[in-house]
Amino acid sequence: GQNIDQPTEMTATEGAIVQINCTYQTSGFNGLFWYQQHAGEAPTFLSYNVLDGLEEKGRFSSFLSRSKGYSYLLLKELQMKDSASYLCAVRDPRGYQKVTFGTGTKLQVIP
Amino acid sequence: GAGVSQTPSNKVTEKGKYVELRCDPISGHTALYWYRQSLGQGPEFLIYFQGTGAADDSGLPNDRFFAVRPEGSVSTLKIQRTERGDSAVYLCASSPGQWNSPLHFGNGTRLTVT
Repeated sequence: GQNIDQPTEMTATEGAIVQINCTYQTSGFNGLFWYQQHAGEAPTFLSYNVLDGLEEKGRFSSFLSRSKGYSYLLLKELQMKDSASYLCAVRDPRGYQKVTFGTGTKLQVIP
Repeated sequence: GAGVSQTPSNKVTEKGKYVELRCDPISGHTALYWYRQSLGQGPEFLIYFQGTGAADDSGLPNDRFFAVRPEGSVSTLKIQRTERGDSAVYLCASSPGQWNSPLHFGNGTRLTVT
């Protein structure tokens, strides 16, 4: 099975940097996703990591350590619109298809 | 291009009734997923299809839930004898089917069972 842990809530200041952690214990692993979900909206894709290391994409970066079962999402130069839930999800290696989500981290950006 | 479309956007039904939720995936996407999301929680996996067949239905909570995708495109999630605990947002997502492909989500159907 899959067990994915994320902090429930975080608060950060506009313009700052925030790191959202995700740990996972899974029976198999074939990549980790990060999604952003604004209240009342669908999740939207942010990043996908399958190899160890840091992937940078504009203000957002995602890191993966497979040996530690650990990932983080780094958001720089925070903007008010970044207030949302951030979902960590792990892909099952069997058939490469099943994707299991964590409970999400609700980020509030304050002025 | 068009994204994933789910209908209806909202559905209110009485306890014990039958409901159908529809998902139109992105054209050409072979993989289709159904998730259920309660307030403050992450999406909970229900079932996914590769083409017409249900490749993994391990997340369906019980035999009141059933899903089909007869022609490998549109999918319908069917819930019999609805219960108040079934109230949630039902999300559909599709993917091209490659191992590194992200899931593209629809806006969901908010189901309320009274």
